[in-house]
Amino acid sequence: EVHLVESGGGLVQPGGSLRLSCAASGFTFSNYWMTWVRQAPGKGLEWVADINEDGSEKNYVDFVKGRFTISRDNAKNSMYLQMNSLRVEDTAIYYCARAINGGSWPDWGQGSLVTVSS
Amino acid sequence: DIVLTQSPATLSLSPGERATLSCRASQRVSSYLAWYQQKPGQAPRLLIYDASNRATGVPARFSGSGSGTDFTLTISSLETEDFAVYYCQQRSSWPLTFGGGTKVQIK
Repeated sequence: EVHLVESGGGLVQPGGSLRLSCAASGFTFSNYWMTWVRQAPGKGLEWVADINEDGSEKNYVDFVKGRFTISRDNAKNSMYLQMNSLRVEDTAIYYCARAINGGSWPDWGQGSLVTVSS
Repeated sequence: DIVLTQSPATLSLSPGERATLSCRASQRVSSYLAWYQQKPGQAPRLLIYDASNRATGVPARFSGSGSGTDFTLTISSLETEDFAVYYCQQRSSWPLTFGGGTKVQIK
């Protein structure tokens, strides 16, 4: 059974940094693209970034480019999202998900809440 | 960026009724469109991928159709557990985008 567990969320001041982690199990992690999707309180879903199987290709939504960095460690079956220069509008639940078919997501974690506030 | 517009925003129906949800793309996305269901406090659940393929374990009452710019998710006969928010999502080009969602609520 596929299992994805996010960690690392919390309360941070504007301008601060956080690093989210996603621990994967139940599948061959190194064979799949992975992605981060977020959801602000009471709002819809928003794709943030994704990364290919070996970490050589990364894509980001415009409003996080230069601030967020996606990475992975296949030896540890883990994916990361380094978030710098955080803004109030980055407040959201951040989900990690496993991709199939180049960008559909059948498996999701439970989410990690990031709150950016002074 | 490809904008996905979902309609209606809210759909009020009774159990047993048929639900028809629409998703329109601002550019052609071929068949690279998925549908997700989300219930309060839960992560999204993939229902349909590549326009018409049901994901593993999804009941047959859920079906997807369309290609190009116009897509439909149909729930043939609503069960109580189907009342939720539904999102479409395109994987045709980066940035990957979601529609704004359709809330299916009990009438």
